[in-house]
Amino acid sequence: DAGITQSPRHKVTETGTPVTLRCHQTENHRYMYWYRQDPGHGLRLIHYSYGVKDTDKGEVSDGYSVSRSKTEDFLLTLESATSSQTSVYFCAISESVAGASYEQYFGPGTRLTVT
Amino acid sequence: SQQGEEDPQALSIQEGENATMNCSYKTSINNLQWYRQNSGRGLVHLILIRSNEREKHSGRLRVTLDTSKKSSSLLITASRAADTASYFCATLGGSNYKLTFGKGTLLTVNP
Repeated sequence: DAGITQSPRHKVTETGTPVTLRCHQTENHRYMYWYRQDPGHGLRLIHYSYGVKDTDKGEVSDGYSVSRSKTEDFLLTLESATSSQTSVYFCAISESVAGASYEQYFGPGTRLTVT
Repeated sequence: SQQGEEDPQALSIQEGENATMNCSYKTSINNLQWYRQNSGRGLVHLILIRSNEREKHSGRLRVTLDTSKKSSSLLITASRAADTASYFCATLGGSNYKLTFGKGTLLTVNP
């Protein structure tokens, strides 16, 4: 999986608790992304980062925050988990050399259940 | 909102047959990419076609792009049971480095 790990791989948490998911890469890629995948919705972008300390919102960012203090780590925090945030979360990375391809490489995913 | 929309949503074929999946999108693109996702796994990049290209091949994969119709197709020839997976198209817009994914086509190849 292209040097990308996600932790934890599975988590069950209660409504109202904060949760942090971690994405770690060893590829030194500049761009990192957090997606959620739900049946019937495909893959939706939550937040992304275009460099250390540089982040921006995706299409479903409400209730989520991110941080990137090092090139290799991108953290996704659910500030107060709700049942609607039960999902599979994927981290992805990409790098662009001349040509702007932005192919993405995905981690194995984290299955989060909020009860 | 999704940029790419795959068609059909599900496809079931016999081993050895060809599988064709289609993707339509709405706005201008820089490139279009296809990904595969095996059950319970992350997505894997398959092939990329740029907006100025019309056709691209990679092994048993053939991708076409028609920018006038804002559509692309992915052909998998001589399908194998191991090709069973979901396939997603993703578009890269002209002014950013974010991909927009469709909802995917679930391909089942029966042995």
